[in-house]
Amino acid sequence: EIVLTQSPEFQSVTPKEKVTITCRASQSIGSSLHWYQQKPDQSPKLLIKYASQSMSAVPSRFSGSGSGTDFTLTINSLETEDAAAYYCHQSSSLPHTFGQGTKLEIK
Amino acid sequence: EVQLVQSGAEVKKPGESLKISCKGSGYTFKNYWIGWVRQMPGKGLEWMGFIYPGDSDTTYSPSFQGQVTISADRSISTAYLQWSSLKASDTAMYYCLRQPGGGDAFDIWGQGTMVTVSS
Repeated sequence: EIVLTQSPEFQSVTPKEKVTITCRASQSIGSSLHWYQQKPDQSPKLLIKYASQSMSAVPSRFSGSGSGTDFTLTINSLETEDAAAYYCHQSSSLPHTFGQGTKLEIK
Repeated sequence: EVQLVQSGAEVKKPGESLKISCKGSGYTFKNYWIGWVRQMPGKGLEWMGFIYPGDSDTTYSPSFQGQVTISADRSISTAYLQWSSLKASDTAMYYCLRQPGGGDAFDIWGQGTMVTVSS
């Protein structure tokens, strides 16, 4: 099973800050890494697929990069509506696995 | 509109059985994988397994193999997750999700079904 390790697990940030969340895989997964946003009391929502492909309707301040074992989700100019938990997910091999999540709090 | 609509919240006692559902609409149901994810209270996401309604090909995570059964009825565009004997530790939110291919991202999520198991 591929283990995904996210960091940080919690971050308190102010609006307009730049945020970087990392996800490290226990073995190479190519670009089969996806990012989700889960706001309180909502279902997760796909933000970025295959490391860097942004989904339509996702604000342009969200971007992803990386390949192999190291991946990054960047949020430029954070907005208050970005308060949420963020999860990475690998689909390279079964079973699918998620990172443990990163909770973003807006100060 | 493409969507997955899940059945409502359930409150059960330990040892009882349960089957929850996930109905797809707005797309060709049999051509997409449907998976299930567990989220225990205050915790992260855990992938349980998935099914391809086109041929009922099913794969489970080792963590959930033998604990649950995933099925689908493509004639009514509905997937199911069932337990034969619930435990208190099954208390969680369960999400169904859609995957275009077995190795793709989860592009559509249901609204979630909260299952509470308590004596």
